[in-house]
Amino acid sequence: GQSLEQPSEVTAVEGAIVQINCTYQTSGFYGLSWYQQHDGGAPTFLSYNGLDGLEETGRFSSFLSRSDSYGYLLLQELQMKDSASYFCAGVMDTGRRALTFGSGTRLQVQP
Amino acid sequence: NAGVTQTPKFRILKIGQSMTLQCTQDMNHNYMYWYRQDPGMGLKLIYYSVGAGITDKGEVPNGYNVSRSTTEDFPLRLELAAPSQTSVYFCASRVPGQGDNSPLHFGNGTRLTVT
Repeated sequence: GQSLEQPSEVTAVEGAIVQINCTYQTSGFYGLSWYQQHDGGAPTFLSYNGLDGLEETGRFSSFLSRSDSYGYLLLQELQMKDSASYFCAGVMDTGRRALTFGSGTRLQVQP
Repeated sequence: NAGVTQTPKFRILKIGQSMTLQCTQDMNHNYMYWYRQDPGMGLKLIYYSVGAGITDKGEVPNGYNVSRSTTEDFPLRLELAAPSQTSVYFCASRVPGQGDNSPLHFGNGTRLTVT
């Protein structure tokens, strides 16, 4: 099938580094996106990997390996405001031109 | 720019009633989408549109209908509401691009309860 798998929950302490993994299964794939969603809010775009390798945006980095069908989001210097759900997403059906989302990883940052 | 605007923010429907969720964007985006999000879950695609006059089904289209008469507006119609349609509905838009390298812009959502 065409799906993206990610852990349901991750807990970390303020100031630490956390990695949220995402594996996908599909025959056609353009790239991997990451979205953040705070409780009660709308998802907001964080990053996109169209090519293999690391993309860095401030405290957040995202990585993609097409050969391994795997990516991750890395959050550094965690802050309390980073407590949110994080979704990986990709265009899994080249005919559809719409993102399929993973089920999300809930990150809880503790003091 | 207001971005993507959804109305209403909240709605309670009785089983069998119908309603239209409104979505409008002022960014001149060709691509528009409707997703639903059940509690603690990811977003599931209901319908999408790549331009005025063009719509297509997503993963979970049953019980819904859409239309796209203008670039700006993409309303979602629920006919004969059922409890299984209790969810948060998000409208989103983006500019066309290869794959998904243009980010989705989401509205603030409509929280719908069907009882």
